[in-house]
Amino acid sequence: ETGVTQSPTHLIKTRGQQVTLRCSSQSGHNTVSWYQQALGQGPQFIFQYYREEENGRGNFPPRFSGLQFPNYSSELNVNALELDDSALYLCASSIKHRGLYGYTFGSGTRLTVV
Amino acid sequence: ELKVEQNPLFLSMQEGKNYTIYCNYSTTSDRLYWYRQDPGKSLESLFVLLSNGAVKQEGRLMASLDTKARLSTLHITAAVHDLSATYFCAVDIGLNDMRFGAGTRLTVKP
Repeated sequence: ETGVTQSPTHLIKTRGQQVTLRCSSQSGHNTVSWYQQALGQGPQFIFQYYREEENGRGNFPPRFSGLQFPNYSSELNVNALELDDSALYLCASSIKHRGLYGYTFGSGTRLTVV
Repeated sequence: ELKVEQNPLFLSMQEGKNYTIYCNYSTTSDRLYWYRQDPGKSLESLFVLLSNGAVKQEGRLMASLDTKARLSTLHITAAVHDLSATYFCAVDIGLNDMRFGAGTRLTVKP
């Protein structure tokens, strides 16, 4: 059984650019959630995808968007990057979309915007 | 505004001692999670608490949930150095949104 894998592990982008982060969910999991964790803070919910549709969204602007594919993998896209977007981006997968069995987190993508 | 408050935020313990981390939240929820995060690493799921009065134990850690008081506790028994990490509680507020506390950074000293 494989866990949640994210790519890339580290990324440096320039303000105004666009970025795509990728996540492969744990085998058998059909729900993917994305979180942003700024340094020294707890993760903040961006959105969740279930059956290829957005299934809940936190307080993030529309320039944060995502996709889920038929194999349950997912992408997080961020347009018009701002310095404050620098953070660790975590992907979490679960079996049921309300996380009855908890969530499995990936190791994250560290994004630095300069 | 929804608040998930953990205390203490920083905790330095001696090995062998006991201590409790508290997680208070300001909205109705019957589902609470505890996670551990090592520096530079991802989050490891520790406990999923699904109902009022739920108590779960794993090794030296025990978590409980009181939904009426909107309070969860993570009790550490006879701490060892390997428990040094940051511990987060997270509350399921519906709409598939999990809100995290700020975390408790635990250091266990010999």
